[in-house]
Amino acid sequence: EPEVTQTPSHQVTQMGQEVILRCVPISNHLYFYWYRQILGQKVEFLVSFYNNEISEKSEIFDDQFSVERPDGSNFTLKIRSTKLEDSAMYFCASSERWLTYEQYFGPGTRLTVT
Amino acid sequence: KNEVEQSPQNLTAQEGEFITINCSYSVGISALHWLQQHPGGGIVSLFMLSSGKKKHGRLIATINIQEKHSSLHITASHPRDSAVYICAVRGQGAQKLVFGQGTRLTINP
Repeated sequence: EPEVTQTPSHQVTQMGQEVILRCVPISNHLYFYWYRQILGQKVEFLVSFYNNEISEKSEIFDDQFSVERPDGSNFTLKIRSTKLEDSAMYFCASSERWLTYEQYFGPGTRLTVT
Repeated sequence: KNEVEQSPQNLTAQEGEFITINCSYSVGISALHWLQQHPGGGIVSLFMLSSGKKKHGRLIATINIQEKHSSLHITASHPRDSAVYICAVRGQGAQKLVFGQGTRLTINP
C-alpha cells in the first residue's frame, strides 16, 4: 500500500541553524500539508500546498518557514533560523484531492532544537 | 474559529469492553476525521465522515451534523487498541484540519 515517507526520523539542531525536513507524498496525490505537534499538545496545521504554491497557511507559518516541491517527488519544509520553541514532531500529509478526500500522514520527523 | 473538544481525555477499560469517544465542534464543517496516534507518534487515518455512519472492522464512527457531534466506538476492545484517538475537522471551504486534544485509550488485558 502506498505511504507517505519522511526523513529524517529525528533531527537535532542548534538554535539559529537552518533545517530542512523532507517528505515524499503518495505519488498520485496533488495536495500536500505540513503539521506540527509540540510535545503534549494538539496537532497544529502549518501549511497546505497545491500546484506548486501555498494554498493555505496558519499564523504559525511565518517568514521563518518555507515549503518547496523541488522535484516531482519531494516536498520539503525549511525552517530558516530555528528557535527552541520549534522543537516538535513535524508531520507531512498528502491527499489525492481536497474537499472529500482523506489525508494520509507520514511517520513524522522529531525536531529537537538545543 | 473552530474549536474541537474531545471527551474523555483519558479512558482506561478492560479487554472486551465497548468504548465510546466523543467529539464536539463549534462551527460548520465539510468533513470530520478520526485518527489514531501510536505511542511512537505516527498518525493513521481511521475514518473521514461528512454524514451518517461508517464501520471498519470493530470500529464505528458516527456524526450528527445538526448537533455538531461525532462519536467513535470500538467494540470488543483489545489491548492493541491502546493509542491516542484524535478527532479533526475541516471547516467549510478550508483545506486545513483543526485537531482536538486527543483521547488516550488504555485497554488492559
